[in-house]
Amino acid sequence: EVQLVESGGGLVKPGESLRLSCVASGFSFSDYSVNWVRQAPGKGLEWVSSISSDSGSIYYGDSMRGRFTISRDNAKNSLYLQMNSLRAEDTAVYYCVRDQGGYDSSGWGYYFDHWGQGTLVTVSS
Amino acid sequence: DVQMTQSPSTLSASVGDRVIITCRASESISRWLAWYQQKPGKAPKLLIYKASSLESGVPSRFSGSGSGTEFTLTISSLQSDDLATYYCQQYNSYSWTFGQGTKVEIK
Repeated sequence: EVQLVESGGGLVKPGESLRLSCVASGFSFSDYSVNWVRQAPGKGLEWVSSISSDSGSIYYGDSMRGRFTISRDNAKNSLYLQMNSLRAEDTAVYYCVRDQGGYDSSGWGYYFDHWGQGTLVTVSS
Repeated sequence: DVQMTQSPSTLSASVGDRVIITCRASESISRWLAWYQQKPGKAPKLLIYKASSLESGVPSRFSGSGSGTEFTLTISSLQSDDLATYYCQQYNSYSWTFGQGTKVEIK
């Protein structure tokens, strides 16, 4: 069974930093790209960042670029998100998500097939 | 970035009703659209990928269609267990965006 378990959330003050972790099990972690997706309280879903299986390709959403850093350790089946200069608007549940790729005549496409249970980050003074 | 617009934002239907949720993309995304179901207090769950492919284990009352800029999720016969918020999501050029969600309520 595929499992993704996040940790590291908590209450921090604006401007502070936090590092989230996600441990994967039940599949070959090193074969998959993984992502962070967040959801502010009572709001919709927002993609945060993606990292390829070998860490060779990394992407960020516009509002996160420059403040957040995604990384992974395939030997530990782990994904990380280093979040710096946190703002009140970063308050959200952060989900660790595996993506699945496919190819057709239009090219490659990716969707999110397994999600962790999420970890809550609260940024407040 | 590609923007996704879902409609309606909320719908109320009775058990057994046919329910249709629409998602429009601001530019063509071919067929790289997925649908997710999120029950209260839970993580989202994949229902449909590549516009119309049913994820393993998902009941056959869920179906998806569309391509280009217009897509639909259909629940053929609404069940009480389908109380949830539904999100569409597009993939385009290493960026993913979600619709704002459709909350389905049971009358």
